[in-house]
Amino acid sequence: NAGVTQTPKFRVLKTGQSMTLLCAQDMNHEYMYWYRQDPGMGLRLIHYSVGEGTTAKGEVPDGYNVSRLKKQNFLLGLESAAPSQTSVYFCASSLRPTIAGKSADTQYFGPGTRLTVL
Amino acid sequence: RKEVEQDPGPFNVPEGATVAFNCTYSNSASQSFFWYRQDCRKEPKLLMSVYSSGNEDGRFTAQLNRASQYISLLIRDSKLSDSATYLCVVDNYGQNFVFGPGTRLSVLP
Repeated sequence: NAGVTQTPKFRVLKTGQSMTLLCAQDMNHEYMYWYRQDPGMGLRLIHYSVGEGTTAKGEVPDGYNVSRLKKQNFLLGLESAAPSQTSVYFCASSLRPTIAGKSADTQYFGPGTRLTVL
Repeated sequence: RKEVEQDPGPFNVPEGATVAFNCTYSNSASQSFFWYRQDCRKEPKLLMSVYSSGNEDGRFTAQLNRASQYISLLIRDSKLSDSATYLCVVDNYGQNFVFGPGTRLSVLP
């Protein structure tokens, strides 16, 4: 059982280049999330998805696009990378955060992608 | 006001000490509460969920105070291996999760 996997693990881009980060989960989770983590900032939500074919903006969506064509995959795209997007990117998946107003399952994280934009 | 606030620390404590962290949240509609642990350059991992009645897992005890909107984590008999950053996490209207900035703990020999 792989859980949540992310590819690639590391990447260096030049300003203006594009790339796609892939997240895959094998737990049949409905919800998937993309976060970025910067020193002193904690994890900030970029985009998330509540099911196949759906996406929604999080706290810091600008400069990123996402797609959830298959339930098990959640892709994060950078169309024109900027140095401000240098960060560690984490993907996570979960069942519903709450069910009938009560605490439900938590999130499970992938190992992260370290991205540097020069 | 940030949605989830934590004292960033660092908390430097000797082995065997008891240490407590607090976390405050602003969304009174939140229903799910968690403590995560994150080691340096690794992904966050669930430490424990926080229930209204409080819950304990070995040396770790979590408490929730809905009236004051804060969550606490108590670690007894600290081990060197407890050194990490502890993240407080709260659900956001059942749609996603909000993370606190984390509290760094260093357990010293």
